[in-house]
Amino acid sequence: QKEVEQDPGPLSVPEGAIVSLNCTYSNSAFQYFMWYRQYSRKGPELLMYTYSSGNKEDGRFTAQVDKSSKYISLFIRDSQPSDSATYLCAMSNWGKLQFGAGTQVVVTP
Amino acid sequence: DAGVTQSPTHLIKTRGQQVTLRCSPKSGHDTVSWYQQALGQGPQFIFQYYEEEERQRGNFPDRFSGHQFPNYSSELNVNALLLGDSALYLCASTLGGDNEQFFGPGTRLTVL
Repeated sequence: QKEVEQDPGPLSVPEGAIVSLNCTYSNSAFQYFMWYRQYSRKGPELLMYTYSSGNKEDGRFTAQVDKSSKYISLFIRDSQPSDSATYLCAMSNWGKLQFGAGTQVVVTP
Repeated sequence: DAGVTQSPTHLIKTRGQQVTLRCSPKSGHDTVSWYQQALGQGPQFIFQYYEEEERQRGNFPDRFSGHQFPNYSSELNVNALLLGDSALYLCASTLGGDNEQFFGPGTRLTVL
């Protein structure tokens, strides 16, 4: 069993819809949780960085962490075609990031 | 504000050769981590350098080695290349080993 599980998709949504992404994990020592966006053949771009349980909002993005359920989510409101990318969840206890496999998202006009 | 830079962008090698990849961290950062990302997979942690020392290492063989220079830039060396080493190699930087890591564009290595 992988430490971090993420559905690879693809997830296809119409423009303007809410994109809902999630990851589950098994290591209860993880304290820091991140979401990265990666366009094809590019490096990952940090979108959200959270510590411990709760919600964090930044513009159209909302990250949720539920440590009791070992479950994290990312919501993208008013999705745009430019949001089409692979979204990677990542988590860490100290320094070393453990990634999910990434979910491919396609936003159709 | 200069972000993380990596060179070269692309590299083609043959089995058994050796390769060196380079990374300059984001301005103000002192810690560099290297990751390997195979096609369709998430990045896998190789190792992390801080104060010119390897601080953490992932599950990679000794063929993978690194170095950090006094200006915080870093190199990743891979010896005796295998076909399975073909991947996107990513460098990430942070300050003092903080978990908020910023990635460079990567070096795409193809081993033939």
